[in-house]
Amino acid sequence: AQSVTQLDSHVSVSEGTPVLLRCNYSSSYSPSLFWYVQHPNKGLQLLLKYTSAATLVKGINGFEAEFKKSETSFHLTKPSAHMSDAAEYFCVVRPVMDSNYQLIWGAGTKLIIKP
Amino acid sequence: DAGVTQSPTHLIKTRGQQVTLRCSPISGHKSVSWYQQVLGQGPQFIFQYYEKEERGRGNFPDRFSARQFPNYSSELNVNALLLGDSALYLCASSLEPYGNQPQHFGDGTRLSIL
Repeated sequence: AQSVTQLDSHVSVSEGTPVLLRCNYSSSYSPSLFWYVQHPNKGLQLLLKYTSAATLVKGINGFEAEFKKSETSFHLTKPSAHMSDAAEYFCVVRPVMDSNYQLIWGAGTKLIIKP
Repeated sequence: DAGVTQSPTHLIKTRGQQVTLRCSPISGHKSVSWYQQVLGQGPQFIFQYYEKEERGRGNFPDRFSARQFPNYSSELNVNALLLGDSALYLCASSLEPYGNQPQHFGDGTRLSIL
């Protein structure tokens, strides 16, 4: 069965320090992978997507993620955190060979930025 | 370009009532999905429509129904509202429901049941 695991429910970093949000997936085939961000009382915004063209994917707001097939991981990183990055982040998988088409959502990681 | 628009933004209902939520997808997008997000949790899939046909249904009771119109806009209906239906209801659109097409979300409708 397909699944997504976000390894940390909360991550707290100081402003200006690096951010690492971890995501592992389980899929029988090479999936499409996405990261979404949700600010309080807002909808979800697409940060970036992996589509097998390149293993290092750059997204908006300075975020990037690296697809590592051997580790079945798709961790999200940012070199320097900003206060505006405080939000909930979701790792999402769409299995490629699945007629159901449905997205599989991680439980989310809340990113806390300390001044 | 306009993003996904949802209406209304907020809604207050009482138990037993019925509600209709509306969604307009991004121009050119033919697939619409609905999600329920309870406070503090991730989105839970309710329905997906593509080319006006239901293509997927999550684990929700029959009180939940939806449809997609010829212009690809969509409505989500919930009957016999329960307190537990209080949540943020999100609509997402995509060009197609499969492959690497990402879903683009609206800001949601906040539904409160008294």
